[in-house]
Amino acid sequence: RKEVEQDPGPFNVPEGATVAFNCTYSNSASQSFFWYRQDCRKEPKLLMSVYSSGNEDGRFTAQLNRASQYISLLIRDSKLSDSATYLCVVKRTSGTYKYIFGTGTRLKVLA
Amino acid sequence: DAMVIQNPRYQVTQFGKPVTLSCSQTLNHNVMYWYQQKSSQAPKLLFHYYDKDFNNEADTPDNFQSRRPNTSFCFLDIRSPGLGDAAMYLCATSLGLQETQYFGPGTRLLVL
Repeated sequence: RKEVEQDPGPFNVPEGATVAFNCTYSNSASQSFFWYRQDCRKEPKLLMSVYSSGNEDGRFTAQLNRASQYISLLIRDSKLSDSATYLCVVKRTSGTYKYIFGTGTRLKVLA
Repeated sequence: DAMVIQNPRYQVTQFGKPVTLSCSQTLNHNVMYWYQQKSSQAPKLLFHYYDKDFNNEADTPDNFQSRRPNTSFCFLDIRSPGLGDAAMYLCATSLGLQETQYFGPGTRLLVL
């Protein structure tokens, strides 16, 4: 079982739709959580950190559920420019700090 | 202005011919990382430097080496590239081990 798991998608949604992704992690030593966005053949870019209380940045909302060991990303009012792969990243500290990446969820927003 | 720079963006090499990928940063970050990402897969950490302290991941093949001559530069050396080493190689930096990582644009390596 992978330490960080995501549904690879693709999620095909119409413009204006609301879409949500989940990511589960298996290591309870996980300390910090992030969503990165990666466009095709480009580098990952930090979208947002995920805090225990949940956090919002414009149309994007991230939540963390430590008890069930998952994080989520909600995108409201999807734009064509939101089409990308969304990588879930977990940082853990068992021995050394390390980023563990999920394989990503592909989102396609359709006109 | 680019903060993490990788050159070249595309690199073609021959099977078994040594190749070096470079990364530089203008952020004065202490930590530099090298990741390998294959198509539709997650980035996989190869190793990182905290200042001059080198940390190799246990499953990184010996074929991959790294050098960090100064704070700004870090190199990835692939001694004898195989066809399976074709991938995107991503450099990242962070101020400290606990801080957010910032990625360069990557170098896409093709092995013929």
